[in-house]
Amino acid sequence: KAGVTQTPRYLIKTRGQQVTLSCSPISGHRSVSWYQQTPGQGLQFLFEYFSETQRNKGNFPGRFSGRQFSNSRSEMNVSTLELGDSALYLCASSAGLAPSSTDTQYFGPGTRLTVL
Amino acid sequence: DAKTTQPPSMDCAEGRAANLPCNHSTISGNEYVYWYRQIHSQGPQYIIHGLKNNETNEMASLIITEDRKSSTLILPHATLRDTAVYYCIVSGSSNTGKLIFGQGTTLQVKP
Repeated sequence: KAGVTQTPRYLIKTRGQQVTLSCSPISGHRSVSWYQQTPGQGLQFLFEYFSETQRNKGNFPGRFSGRQFSNSRSEMNVSTLELGDSALYLCASSAGLAPSSTDTQYFGPGTRLTVL
Repeated sequence: DAKTTQPPSMDCAEGRAANLPCNHSTISGNEYVYWYRQIHSQGPQYIIHGLKNNETNEMASLIITEDRKSSTLILPHATLRDTAVYYCIVSGSSNTGKLIFGQGTTLQVKP
C-alpha cells in the first residue's frame, strides 16, 4: 500500500497570506489527523477528521482550519499567516475504527512551511 | 500535557541492544502504550504498541510492567540508522485521533 502523502513538501509564504496544505491518507483509512511541529513546542495536535466531520480539535486559534472530502483526502488551511506559524505540518491517517485506542496512526513526510 | 516521562537522551553502541524506558504512572485501563520514532525532520514512524502483554515485531520489542506504570522499548541490535527521537505515547478511546507527544528520548547510536 502507498503511504500517507502530503503536498507540497516545502512552502514559503509571507505574513498575512493564507496557505492550504493537502494530505492523502492510506487507501481505506477514513481518519486524518493534523499536527504542527516546532522546535519550541514540539509536536502538537491540531485536529482530526473522520467521514468528513471534525471529530477532535486541539488548542489552536481559529486561523487554523481543515476539511475532509468524501474520498478521505484532507486539507488544512491557515489564514493570516504569522511568523510563528513556520513549522513542519504533519498529517497522519488511521482506519478510524473504534475503539480508537487500537487505531494506529501512520504519518506522512510533512510539509515544511516557512513564513517570512 | 504528555502522560509519559522519558529520559531526554541516551547513547547506545552499534550492534548492542538499546533499551528505552518510559514512565506512564497515570495510565488508564483502556489506554495503550505506543512507540514512534522520528528521524530528523521526517514524519514519525510507528514502531509498536501494546496494552499489557509484551509485544514483539520485526522492529522492536515492548515490555510493559505488570502494573502498567512503565514500559521499555528494546531495539535488539541497534544500527546507526536507529539514531532518532523516540516517543512513548499513551492513547485511549477518550483521545480520538489525537496523539499527545512529549519531548521524547534522543537515541544516539555510536559506532
